[in-house]
Amino acid sequence: SYELTQPPSVSVSPGQTASITCSGDTLGDKYACWYQQKPGQSPVLVIYQDTKRPSGIPERFSGSNSGNTATLTISGTQAMDEADYYCQTWDSNTYVFGTGTKVTVL
Amino acid sequence: QITLKESGPTLVKPTQTLTLTCTFSGFSLSTSGGGVAWIRQPPGKALEWLALIYWDDDKRYSPSLKSSLTISKDTSKNQVVLTMTNVDPVDTATYYCAHRRSGQNYFHYWGQGTLVTVSS
Repeated sequence: SYELTQPPSVSVSPGQTASITCSGDTLGDKYACWYQQKPGQSPVLVIYQDTKRPSGIPERFSGSNSGNTATLTISGTQAMDEADYYCQTWDSNTYVFGTGTKVTVL
Repeated sequence: QITLKESGPTLVKPTQTLTLTCTFSGFSLSTSGGGVAWIRQPPGKALEWLALIYWDDDKRYSPSLKSSLTISKDTSKNQVVLTMTNVDPVDTATYYCAHRRSGQNYFHYWGQGTLVTVSS
């Protein structure tokens, strides 16, 4: 079955850029999306179709996808961005989530 | 405005069957292309996709859980039901339902989730 791998944790200083990777076999040939999840809350879609932001998501969130890796970038990271982030794709009629990354804003 | 809400038991005994209901509004499952999925998250762990039912009653399941899951819909009630047979303590998780927009393979709208504990 298809698998998506993320680093368990990423630390970033306020105002700096955080990059979260998501690795999967030929992931660049598929669409990837990203969810943000804060403690006790449901996931929120922040990026879809590799690079698109839903309405209401700040411009500091951006995405890319090429080769075997999709990347979520948070520019000018704020304290409110501290959360768990999950990538997700669709492969062979199944939906696959990544292993999740905890972003800590120090 | 699209909303979804999960309901079901909070405590289930091992080997029993778990039945969860997702009640939604703001869209119709008779609309071409749409779908509703079930996704779970064990405490402190990652999200796991379980199943999805499409507007045309096509159903997809996680390969690892396919034998224990059944998803169904009642279009007249705007509900989607997930049953999981022979549950185990490892099935303890928050269960979410989520909306799949027509032609898209991501989930823009999620329910609040419901925590199910499997314990004797």
